[in-house]
Amino acid sequence: GENVEQHPSTLSVQEGDSAVIKCTYSDSASNYFPWYKQELGKRPQLIIDIRSNVGEKKDQRIAVTLNKTAKHFSLHITETQPEDSAVYFCAASKGATNAGKSTFGDGTTLTVKP
Amino acid sequence: NAGVTQTPKFQVLKTGQSMTLQCAQDMNHNSMYWYRQDPGMGLRLIYYSASEGTTDKGEVPNGYNVSRLNKREFSLRLESAAPSQTSVYFCASSASDRAGNTIYFGEGSWLTVV
Repeated sequence: GENVEQHPSTLSVQEGDSAVIKCTYSDSASNYFPWYKQELGKRPQLIIDIRSNVGEKKDQRIAVTLNKTAKHFSLHITETQPEDSAVYFCAASKGATNAGKSTFGDGTTLTVKP
Repeated sequence: NAGVTQTPKFQVLKTGQSMTLQCAQDMNHNSMYWYRQDPGMGLRLIYYSASEGTTDKGEVPNGYNVSRLNKREFSLRLESAAPSQTSVYFCASSASDRAGNTIYFGEGSWLTVV
């Protein structure tokens, strides 16, 4: 089955700095890669996703890059703000319609210090 | 729209007791899911239902049963609770078709088995 590894497990940055979280996956058939943000005690929420037919996608301060050959994808957050502090999860699935059956990474706890 | 609602929010069980977690969605979604989230780990799929009347095992189904009562409701039952089932449980739903693939999560149920 699919295996998703996520690094680092914790990340601390100063407000205004950039943050990068990296994930690798094992199954070359995976082609949909969502990222979720989970604030403390809250539900996970989708923040951005990417399909394997594109290499990069941006949405304001967040972007995701995908390297299919190397089987890794990354989340980039620029100009970080204290409200970006949360746990971020990457995931991988075979097709966007199978997003609910994704394999998740173990999460990265991001702390943005004011 | 309430989205995905699940009950109870908190529950303490004794080993061997049984209980049912209830979940309902009002978005007319086809697919529904149950996950567990353990400390320091990502979400793991317990069971899912691709459509009304169907259920399938996910990654960690042992010790659980599910019922897709109708299109709105998907319940998770622990027949004989064990301490290893102490976790946060999330119900989720998605359209899983061309209308959209976004996974919408409930607020979570914190279950402690003593």
